[in-house]
Amino acid sequence: DVVMTQSPDSLALSLGERATINCRSSQDVLERFNNKNYLAWYQQKPGQPPKLLIYWASTRGSGVPDRFSGSGSGTDFTLTISNLQAEDEAIYYCQQYYETPLTFGGGTKLEIK
Amino acid sequence: QVHLQESGPGLVKPSETLSLTCAVSGVSMSRYYWNWIRQAPGKTLEWIGYLSHSGNTNYNPSLKSRVTMSVDTSKNQVSLNLTSVTGADAAVYYCATWSGSTIEYWGPGTQVSVSS
Repeated sequence: DVVMTQSPDSLALSLGERATINCRSSQDVLERFNNKNYLAWYQQKPGQPPKLLIYWASTRGSGVPDRFSGSGSGTDFTLTISNLQAEDEAIYYCQQYYETPLTFGGGTKLEIK
Repeated sequence: QVHLQESGPGLVKPSETLSLTCAVSGVSMSRYYWNWIRQAPGKTLEWIGYLSHSGNTNYNPSLKSRVTMSVDTSKNQVSLNLTSVTGADAAVYYCATWSGSTIEYWGPGTQVSVSS
């Protein structure tokens, strides 16, 4: 299985600041024939299912604000949230879909101070 | 608008079979593959498997021996059976779409506890 490791486990930032969440895969998730990274990011708030934020490592999902951006390639990826808002308080997960079983990172809890 | 709704018993006895159903509305069943994903309390998400509208399946090897998924396109629903449950199977179970690149639509989830 592809193991997804996120860091940090948690972070606390103030309104308007920038959050950086990292995700590392145990093997390359870049498919060279189409040059696509099979990596997604999700946001989950308490009592709710996850919400898709980013797929193909950097493509925003439908309706996702442009404050959310994804970057990286191969095995190292980053989710950046600019100009933090109160509603961004949540747990964020990365997920690879390069191969099955689909696997998720352990999550990063973002607190807005 | 795609809408998914999981249902099933909230409590299952150890060693028994967990059976859940996901009702799908707002989309043709052939549009997506259909995931089951679970999340134990305070834990990350665990992919159980997915199936197509024609019944092709792909299960997580860690659960494969205990999992069966099925689809009923006439009722617009997908089902999950998990046999020989233990306390480790207690979780919120989600039904969700799979497009090959995104898990875009999720049901609200159904809580399953395991206890005698």
